[in-house]
Amino acid sequence: DIQMTQSPSSLSASVGDRVTITCRASQSISTYLNWYQQKPGRVPNLLIYAASSLQGGVPSRFSGSGSGTDFTLTIRNLQPEDFATYYCQQSYTTPRTFGQGTKLEIK
Amino acid sequence: QVQLQESGPRLVKPSGTLSLTCAVSGGSISSDDWWSWVRRPPGKGLEWIGEIYHGGSTNYSPSLKSRVTISVDKSKNQFSLKLTSVTAADTAMYYCVNIHGALGSFDIWGQGTMVTVSS
Repeated sequence: DIQMTQSPSSLSASVGDRVTITCRASQSISTYLNWYQQKPGRVPNLLIYAASSLQGGVPSRFSGSGSGTDFTLTIRNLQPEDFATYYCQQSYTTPRTFGQGTKLEIK
Repeated sequence: QVQLQESGPRLVKPSGTLSLTCAVSGGSISSDDWWSWVRRPPGKGLEWIGEIYHGGSTNYSPSLKSRVTISVDKSKNQFSLKLTSVTAADTAMYYCVNIHGALGSFDIWGQGTMVTVSS
């Protein structure tokens, strides 16, 4: 199985900040990497697919990069609605695996 | 736009079988996509359970494979999950999900249903 490791597990930031979340795969997954946002009590929402493509309707302050084993999700100009938990997920092969999540909290 | 809706018992007894169905509307389950189940136990992260293609091909999580069956009913445009020999560790929010056939991204999620395993 491909293991996905996110860092940090939690992060405190302020409105207007720029934050970066990292996801590392245990083996190369090319660009088969997706990012999701989940707010408390809400359904997970696809933000980024294929490592760097923005899903329709997602604000442009979200961006993704990386290939192979190392990936990042960057959020510029943090907004109050961005405080949530973020997950990476590899779609290179089955079993499909998620990172453990990064909880972004307000400082 | 495809929409997904889970249904099934919210309370299951230990050692029993968890059964959920996901109704697909606004699209055909015979599209070139995979149909999946994902769960999130309280206080934990997302866990992929397994998936099915309309032709019947399935993939399962190795950790759950011995207890999971996912099936599809094309006539009803729905797919189902059965998880046997459940314990408290299977208590979770269960989501049905549409997976993009080419990209493997979890594009469309049902609202989720909370299933509790308790006597």
